[in-house]
Amino acid sequence: GAGVSQSPSNKVTEKGKDVELRCDPISGHTALYWYRQSLGQGLEFLIYFQGNSAPDKSGLPSDRFSAERTGGSVSTLTIQRTQQEDSAVYLCASGLGGSSPLHFGNGTRLTVT
Amino acid sequence: QKEVEQNSGPLSVPEGAIASLNCTYSDRGSQSFFWYRQYSGKSPELIMSIYSNGDKEDGRFTAQLNKASQYVSLLIRDSQPSDSATYLCAVPNPFSGGYNKLIFGAGTRLAVHP
Repeated sequence: GAGVSQSPSNKVTEKGKDVELRCDPISGHTALYWYRQSLGQGLEFLIYFQGNSAPDKSGLPSDRFSAERTGGSVSTLTIQRTQQEDSAVYLCASGLGGSSPLHFGNGTRLTVT
Repeated sequence: QKEVEQNSGPLSVPEGAIASLNCTYSDRGSQSFFWYRQYSGKSPELIMSIYSNGDKEDGRFTAQLNKASQYVSLLIRDSQPSDSATYLCAVPNPFSGGYNKLIFGAGTRLAVHP
């Protein structure tokens, strides 16, 4: 079946521009996470959606970052006024929630020039 | 104390040896435990899940869980150069609102040399 789909796979943007990254989770998955991974580094948690509950935004690094999940399915991560330090791979993962594992998308590689 | 801790490595083992990767966690109430493998430039992929104390074997991989000591390990038998990757341990922790949040360790980098 279809896995987690992320788009675009690559994004190059100029410093100061806004970007939107999209994640289509596996159908029926109620949990959705966004992570950031810089070159050679570990997963940096950004935000977690679980069903209709209020999202856990504790990992968002600044108010330039926001995310929404519409209809409990597709999620969009928005980065406003991008900075060079925002360059990284942004990973989305979804799961059934509870004690179930997550399944990752292929990520979006963001480069801010 | 971090919620999920792993030695960052690198762990270097010769081809054919057993690689042992360890993970400790802080929440005694955790009920499920996952191991992910991440190749350089790729996304993490789930390779093992374990829910009960003891060992779970899948091919060359064995996951070991000890809830009393709060650790979970991954053994890779007959290590191959293709096993060279970063291995991530993940454990659900209770989160406010009554649901679990999956917490990842920082990962252990494994290098298998011929």
